Amino acid sequence: QSALTQPASVSGSPGQSITISCTGTSSDVGGYNYVSWYQQHPGKAPKLMVYDVSTRPSGVSNRFSGSKSGNTASLTISGLQAEDEADYYCSSYTTSTTLVFGTGTKVTVL
Amino acid sequence: QVQLVESGGGLVKPGGSLRLSCAASGFTFSDYYMSWIRQTPGKGLEWLSYISSSRTSINYADSVKGRFTISRDNAKNSLSLQMNSLRAEDTAIYYCARMGRLQRSIFYWGQGTLVTVSS
Repeated sequence: QSALTQPASVSGSPGQSITISCTGTSSDVGGYNYVSWYQQHPGKAPKLMVYDVSTRPSGVSNRFSGSKSGNTASLTISGLQAEDEADYYCSSYTTSTTLVFGTGTKVTVL
Repeated sequence: QVQLVESGGGLVKPGGSLRLSCAASGFTFSDYYMSWIRQTPGKGLEWLSYISSSRTSINYADSVKGRFTISRDNAKNSLSLQMNSLRAEDTAIYYCARMGRLQRSIFYWGQGTLVTVSS
């Protein structure tokens, strides 16, 4: 199972919106509404930000939103803040009943 | 609050074995799928394995199938990963993780334990 494809880096200024893409295939992203997004700060464990494509866990800011079209899922961060600077990973359930992660995206707040 | 605490990491020679453990608390352990995920230093995340609440559903990534074995003890709220025939490329931080009642997503992560495979 190949990793899902994410851009290596995305940047934006405080207050702006940015979008991170996560591209897979019909065997993973496109086949199920089970895409999740995780935020990881340096030296820390990942934290779930969105699951089931667009559902935010309790306590996650509504500045984070998820969507999906075909084989590509997206995470949008609105009103970008300094604390949003981190690595972001997507994951998807697959037809092999496994999970696959994305390659990761480093978000930089300019 | 959900707590997952891994232990058992360390330095091991190629071809050797290691057993990781994860102590869970703050939730009804027997209700949830559990999983192991690893992260190579400076690199991305790789899902390794999951086990269902009743141990009837287990799956592995191709990279560790036949070498790693996941298990759980619901009475002790513990998860384990037996790793055999270790290779240099298994060097990583290993995370214990709680999934949902289905194996669709990772909801909580431990802090990780470092495994180094080197002669």
